[in-house]
Amino acid sequence: AQSVAQPEDQVNVAEGNPLTVKCTYSVSGNPYLFWYVQYPNRGLQFLLKYITGDNLVKGSYGFEAEFNKSQTSFHLKKPSALVSDSALYFCAVRDYTNAGKSTFGDGTTLTVKP
Amino acid sequence: EAGVAQSPRYKIIEKRQSVAFWCNPISGHATLYWYQQILGQGPKLLIQFQNNGVVDDSQLPKDRFSAERLKGVDSTLKIQPAKLEDSAVYLCASSLGANEKLFFGSGTQLSVL
Repeated sequence: AQSVAQPEDQVNVAEGNPLTVKCTYSVSGNPYLFWYVQYPNRGLQFLLKYITGDNLVKGSYGFEAEFNKSQTSFHLKKPSALVSDSALYFCAVRDYTNAGKSTFGDGTTLTVKP
Repeated sequence: EAGVAQSPRYKIIEKRQSVAFWCNPISGHATLYWYQQILGQGPKLLIQFQNNGVVDDSQLPKDRFSAERLKGVDSTLKIQPAKLEDSAVYLCASSLGANEKLFFGSGTQLSVL
């Protein structure tokens, strides 16, 4: 069975500082990895994905994520946080050998303080 | 382009009553998903359709939940009878294919009293 772990319920950073939101996964086949963001009173939105190729992928709003196969991790990063980045972030894994079934983590609340 | 449409936005029912949710995916998206999101948790897949066929319904409580996607376009999810633990946000999502990014609707917030 596939699974996703987001070990931190909450991440707090100061505006202008770098941020990292952690994600580890478990899947039997090769993973497709995704990050989604949920702003208050808005639906889930796609941020970025890793399918194959470069381990560092870039996405929307200046976010990037690094795929590490040996550590089975896909951490979300941004060099300089903005107050407007404050939201709930979900990591998801899809096993392309399992009909694309998506499994989500329980989310990490990011708070960026001015 | 129009997004994923869901209705109703909110629903309050008493336990043992029935309820239905409707979803219209983005035009041309073959894959449609229903997720249940309980407060404080990530979305949990209930059922996945590819066109009008079911790909995965392993986590759907089939004794009370049912879903259909007639003509491979819009879909309905029904709960009958509802239990207190069904209180959650029900999210519909669609994608071009099984391994593409998901586009989510705004969800239906269900409260079972």
